[in-house]
This record gives sequence, structure tokens and C-alpha cells, in this order.
Amino acid sequence: GQNIDQPTEMTATEGAIVQINCTYQTSGFNGLFWYQQHAGEAPTFLSYNVLDGLEEKGRFSSFLSRSKGYSYLLLKELQMKDSASYLCAVKDSNYQLIWGAGTKLIIKP
Amino acid sequence: GAVVSQHPSWVICKSGTSVKIECRSLDFQATTMFWYRQFPKQSLMLMATSNEGSKATYEQGVEKDKFLINHASLTLSTLTVTSAHPEDSSFYICSASSSAGSGANVLTFGAGSRLTVL
Repeated sequence: GQNIDQPTEMTATEGAIVQINCTYQTSGFNGLFWYQQHAGEAPTFLSYNVLDGLEEKGRFSSFLSRSKGYSYLLLKELQMKDSASYLCAVKDSNYQLIWGAGTKLIIKP
Repeated sequence: GAVVSQHPSWVICKSGTSVKIECRSLDFQATTMFWYRQFPKQSLMLMATSNEGSKATYEQGVEKDKFLINHASLTLSTLTVTSAHPEDSSFYICSASSSAGSGANVLTFGAGSRLTVL
């Protein structure tokens, strides 16, 4: 079966750095997405990786290793507004999006 | 950027009634729209995929006669929850893609509709 694993919850301190990991086992691979979802709101797109390596976008970076079935989302200079759930999603060989359960990130002052 | 409008943002209805949720792509043509459901503290669950002008493809376990999807134009898809019951209470989110298949295509989500069935 297809599976995406990410931690259920993480806690970090304002101003610090946090890394949210995502491992996947899917039938084929056509890209990995990270979305941010604040409570009661719809997800918003953060990043897309299809080749191995690091994609940097401001305070957020996303890394992919296809051989390991692994990605991480790195958030720097954490702000209180970064408190949200972070969803990892992979497009399989049929271009279907497989979603992880999300990681709830709690930022403390 | 691409914008998807979803309406209503929240709705309360009595058990047995039907509720229609609209999803519109405002500045692009959405050949494919997706309907998701999300229960508290859980991830997105894909309910169905709709392509303009054709019947929706429902995920396993989703009753197509209960959740009616119509994608009549390239900018509008509707989800009708028929004969709603309290267990249908959930957060329903639509998303749209400007083209099917392409790996890099980013889904744009509507703001979601919170349905409460009394």
C-alpha cells in the first residue's frame, strides 16, 4: 500500500529552527509537496520538490532524497504565526496526491 | 496567483436536508477539481475527482448518491450533500488544478466549508 509518515506533533521555540521529516512509500513518484494549514483554514502551498536536493524559499526550505523516500521541511527564524499543521503530499505514478496526516507545529515564546 | 473561491464558508442544517457547496476558480480554468473532507485533527481525505464535462470519480467508500458532484463548467464545481446526517458534519475543501496530470501542478485550495448537521 501507499504510505506517508510524518510526526504527529512538534514543539519549537520562537526564533529557533525546526525540521519536519516526511518518509514515503508510494507506487511511483511524480513530486512531493509541502502545504501549511492553519486551524480551520484550507491548506496553502509551501514547496514542491521533484529532483533530489534542497529548495530554499525565504525562511522555508525543503529537501528531497528520492532514493531514501525522504523529505524534510526546514523552518528558520520561527515566528508565532508559523504555528500550524504541515502536510506532506506525494504524487504517485498516476499523478494522484497521497497525503500525510500532517505535523502539528507548536511555537512557544 | 490562482484563486479558488468556495461558498458557503460555514453552514448549519437540520438532519435530512441537502446542502450545496460551490467551488469556483476565479482567474483560471480548472479542468480538474478535487473535493476533500477533513475531520478534526486528521488529514485531508480525497472524496472525489471531477473533470469538466464528465462524471466524477469517487474514492472507495464515498457514496456517490449521497455526495453529488457537478462540474458543469471550467470554473465551477458543486458538491451537494444529500439527506445530511450528523455524521456528515465535517470540513469540506475543494481544490482546483489548471491541468490534469502534470507533476508540478500545484493545487489551489478553496477556503473550505464547515458543515454542521444538527
